Amino acid sequence: EDQVTQSPEALRLQEGESSSLNCSYTVSGLRGLFWYRQDPGKGPEFLFTLYSAGEEKEKERLKATLTKKESFLHITAPKPEDSATYLCAVQDVYNFNKFYFGSGTKLNVKP
Amino acid sequence: DTEVTQTPKHLVMGMTNKKSLKCEQHMGHRAMYWYKQKAKKPPELMFVYSYEKLSINESVPSRFSPECPNSSLLNLHLHALQPEDSALYLCASSQGRNRGEEKLFFGSGTQLSVL
Repeated sequence: EDQVTQSPEALRLQEGESSSLNCSYTVSGLRGLFWYRQDPGKGPEFLFTLYSAGEEKEKERLKATLTKKESFLHITAPKPEDSATYLCAVQDVYNFNKFYFGSGTKLNVKP
Repeated sequence: DTEVTQTPKHLVMGMTNKKSLKCEQHMGHRAMYWYKQKAKKPPELMFVYSYEKLSINESVPSRFSPECPNSSLLNLHLHALQPEDSALYLCASSQGRNRGEEKLFFGSGTQLSVL
């Protein structure tokens, strides 16, 4: 069965302290891996799509990478406004309407 | 317009009530979704309307029923809900099936409380 596991569940960083979030997945065939940011009480906001191992995407302080088994979201010199829950989702090549979401990593960046 | 609009933002209902959640997008997207999200949990897919075809998560109880009046609108009708149905209900849309079109655009959600 397709599964997505994110770690850690929660992460507290000081402003400027870089770190990485992990998303490991098991899927029959990967169509795409997606990263979202979710603020409390709001819908997830799209960040990146990755399609194949070795691919990287960057946006401001965030960089997403993909291997055959996992993806990392690297946060460089985070700011308090980066505090949010980061969700990873995978899309199965055999069922493109279904996205398997991980439970997320709740990031708290202290000033 | 790159938004998915959901109404209402908050809803409190009794177990005998009938209510509807509404979702609208004007991006010409071909698929629309309803997700349920409990606190500190990932979104769970309930229904998908994709290219005019409905797909159902079979674990969703019949007290939830989707309706797609046209390609821009998606409703979720609620009837005889239980307190455990209290959650954030998220609507999402995606452009299509081609690479680059799959990403989900989410609305802000409806926070539902069932008393």
